[in-house]
Amino acid sequence: GAVVSQHPSWVICKSGTSVKIECRSLDFQATTMFWYRQFPKQSLMLMATSNEGSKATYEQGVEKDKFLINHASLTLSTLTVTSAHPEDSSFYICSAPALQKGYTFGSGTRLTVV
Amino acid sequence: QKEVEQNSGPLSVPEGAIASLNCTYSDRVSQSFFWYRQYSGKSPELIMSIYSNGDKEDGRFTAQLNKASQYVSLLIRDSQPSDSATYLCAVTNTGNQFYFGTGTSLTVIP
Repeated sequence: GAVVSQHPSWVICKSGTSVKIECRSLDFQATTMFWYRQFPKQSLMLMATSNEGSKATYEQGVEKDKFLINHASLTLSTLTVTSAHPEDSSFYICSAPALQKGYTFGSGTRLTVV
Repeated sequence: QKEVEQNSGPLSVPEGAIASLNCTYSDRVSQSFFWYRQYSGKSPELIMSIYSNGDKEDGRFTAQLNKASQYVSLLIRDSQPSDSATYLCAVTNTGNQFYFGTGTSLTVIP
């Protein structure tokens, strides 16, 4: 139980385009979704916290207009990287608190901007 | 001050040995503690959770918690090359916001 499905697993896009990443909680309601970014050989860096039905909370230094987060339902949260640039290339991971199971993580999205 | 601190390593142990991973946290009211394993290019997966002082064993893994010392550790017995990964310690108070350490890289040498 407590599965978060994340899509796509990997995506390559041209510089200047936008990419949408989806995370769905399959068997529980995720009122909160955390979005992380991870660069090679570095730890998870929290980007933002989304709450169903309200605006996301962004960590310091994360541009909210560049990383658009929508959490319109209890089972779906999306992250859109707008006007992507090569420096946005990273591994993006979503996760949701799942009671005694701690964090349940999505499988991650490898974004490469060329 | 960082919420959760781990030695980044790398930690290398020979196959069959015991690997010891340590984590300290700063928030005294933390209630729940988790260890995650992350293989390169993959998302973290939960290994152990512990909530009470003492030891908790699950197969080759033992989590140890000492709330007075604000310390949690993970022991891996009979280490295998497949255990080579980064191990993340996570701490939470409310269950809604988790604080992760930077992770310890473990290499098990065949």
